[in-house]
Amino acid sequence: DTQMTQSPSSLSASVGDTVTISCRTSQRISGYLNWYQQRPGKGPKLLIYATSNLQSGVPSRFSGSGSGTDFTLTISTLQPEDFATYYCQQSYDLPLTFGQGTRLEIK
Amino acid sequence: QLRLQESGPGLVKPSETLSLICTVSGASFSNPNYYWGWIRQPPGGGLEWVGTVSYSGDSYDNPSLKSRVAMSMDTSKNQLSLNVNSVTAADTAVYFCARGVEKDDSRGSYLFFDSWGQGTQVTVSS
Repeated sequence: DTQMTQSPSSLSASVGDTVTISCRTSQRISGYLNWYQQRPGKGPKLLIYATSNLQSGVPSRFSGSGSGTDFTLTISTLQPEDFATYYCQQSYDLPLTFGQGTRLEIK
Repeated sequence: QLRLQESGPGLVKPSETLSLICTVSGASFSNPNYYWGWIRQPPGGGLEWVGTVSYSGDSYDNPSLKSRVAMSMDTSKNQLSLNVNSVTAADTAVYFCARGVEKDDSRGSYLFFDSWGQGTQVTVSS
């Protein structure tokens, strides 16, 4: 299985800050990396697919980058609604696997 | 607008079978570019892929569930079903259904889940 390691596990930031979340994979996965946001009590929401493609309707302050085994989600100019948990997910091979999540909290 | 709604018993006894339904509205099951999947989330935990099925009948499930999973699609009702047999407390989780989309570009074919249900809590306990 492709192991996914996100860092940090939790992060405190203020409205207006820019934050970066990292996702490292146990093998090279080309660009097969997606990012999701989950708010409490809700299903996850797709933000970024194939490393850097912004899903329709997602604000442009979200961006993704990376290659090989190292990937990054950047959120610029944090808004109150961005405080949530974020997950990366690989679709390079089966079983599909997710990172353990990064909880973004208000400072 | 696409909507996915999970339903099923919230409580299942150990060693019995967990059975869930996902009702889909606003999208066609017969679109070959879509897959339909189940993902679960244990209490306070992260996301675990359970399995995925396509309209063509291709079905894939997570080996971690040790072949206890069966999935099917009822196109007449636009419903997706999940059965997990011989459940234990480790199967206690919120279960989500989601639509998987496959998008191709020059670099490859990318699968991602673009729409999710709200999830349904399943507790395994006697």
